[in-house]
Amino acid sequence: GAVVSQHPSWVICKSGTSVKIECRSLDFQATTMFWYRQFPKQSLMLMATSNEGSKATYEQGVEKDKFLINHASLTLSTLTVTSAHPEDSSFYICSAGTGLYEQYFGPGTRLTVT
Amino acid sequence: TQLLEQSPQFLSIQEGENLTVYCNSSSVFSSLQWYRQEPGEGPVLLVTVVTGGEVKKLKRLTFQFGDARKDSSLHITAAQPGDTGLYLCAGANSGYALNFGKGTSLLVTP
Repeated sequence: GAVVSQHPSWVICKSGTSVKIECRSLDFQATTMFWYRQFPKQSLMLMATSNEGSKATYEQGVEKDKFLINHASLTLSTLTVTSAHPEDSSFYICSAGTGLYEQYFGPGTRLTVT
Repeated sequence: TQLLEQSPQFLSIQEGENLTVYCNSSSVFSSLQWYRQEPGEGPVLLVTVVTGGEVKKLKRLTFQFGDARKDSSLHITAAQPGDTGLYLCAGANSGYALNFGKGTSLLVTP
């Protein structure tokens, strides 16, 4: 149980284009999903908290107009990187909460912007 | 943001050795989780501790939550190459948002 999937697992796009990443909870409903960013050999940095049916809450320093988050259902949240630039290249990971404390993470999406 | 300090940052040991990873904060957390992450994959939850002084064992891994709920430790007995990975501690308070430590990169060589 508590499986979270992400799609795509990796994507290469050209500078200036937009990329959408999907995060799905496969066997449970998640009222809250989280999006993280991770640079090589570093820890996870929380970007935003996504609640079903409401606007996402972004962490300080994260541009909400650049990183669009939609949480349309209890099993799906999407992150769209708009007008991507090379500095947006990173490993993006989502997670979903099942209870009071635990979060279960997706396998991550490797984004490379050329 | 409540900071979590992990130490050591890097650890390279030989198979069969024991090791301890520490996770410290000046803040109190309602719970603390330990995750293990392999390159190119998402973190996998190992354990959640919620009670001060709590000790949990997962095979060769022993997790302890400090009495004051500000710190935690992960002890691995007789490490194996399969234990290699990035170990992350994360603390949580109100709601679900996790505060992650910087991680401990463990390499176990045969």
